[in-house]
Amino acid sequence: KAGVTQTPRYLIKTRGQQVTLSCSPISGHRSVSWYQQTPGQGLQFLFEYFSETQRNKGNFPGRFSGRQFSNSRSEMNVSTLELGDSALYLCASTTRLGGAGELFFGEGSRLTVL
Amino acid sequence: TQLLEQSPQFLSIQEGENLTVYCNSSSVFSSLQWYRQEPGEGPVLLVTVVTGGEVKKLKRLTFQFGDARKDSSLHITAAQPGDTGLYLCAGVIDKIIFGKGTRLHILP
Repeated sequence: KAGVTQTPRYLIKTRGQQVTLSCSPISGHRSVSWYQQTPGQGLQFLFEYFSETQRNKGNFPGRFSGRQFSNSRSEMNVSTLELGDSALYLCASTTRLGGAGELFFGEGSRLTVL
Repeated sequence: TQLLEQSPQFLSIQEGENLTVYCNSSSVFSSLQWYRQEPGEGPVLLVTVVTGGEVKKLKRLTFQFGDARKDSSLHITAAQPGDTGLYLCAGVIDKIIFGKGTRLHILP
């Protein structure tokens, strides 16, 4: 059974640009959550999608957005990039909504903003 | 606001020693999970504890959920170099929120 796949694995952007990250969940998993991981703040919850609808959102500015497609694949977008957006962005999938089960994580997309 | 506080942040000990990592919060959780993350990979679930006072063992790892379901501990007996990694506790409310983690290094 294939795991969670995130693309791209690494990317470098400059301030002011925008970026789109992609996540393919484990087959059959309908919930996809996104987290930002930095050395100073740890893993911070961005949002969760279930059946193409955003069900939960963390405390991030509106520059961070996401969506989920009918096949459960998800994308997140960050617009007007800032230096502080440099981080590892992790996607996790699970079968149920709201953290009721085990999160299966991808390897992450490491974003560097220059 | 970080709802889950983990301590210590860093721990470096010799192989064979015992250690305990703590996860504390003022919030009550429906359950609490422990994950381990290795470099270049995403976190992997070790255990989920659900009932206040619950104790679960995974080989040399012992996990305990506080009676009030606000805190948890992870105890490792006779640590081995393979235990090296970032240990994350995660509390479940309507979503899963993570502590900042304890970076553990076991010296051979």
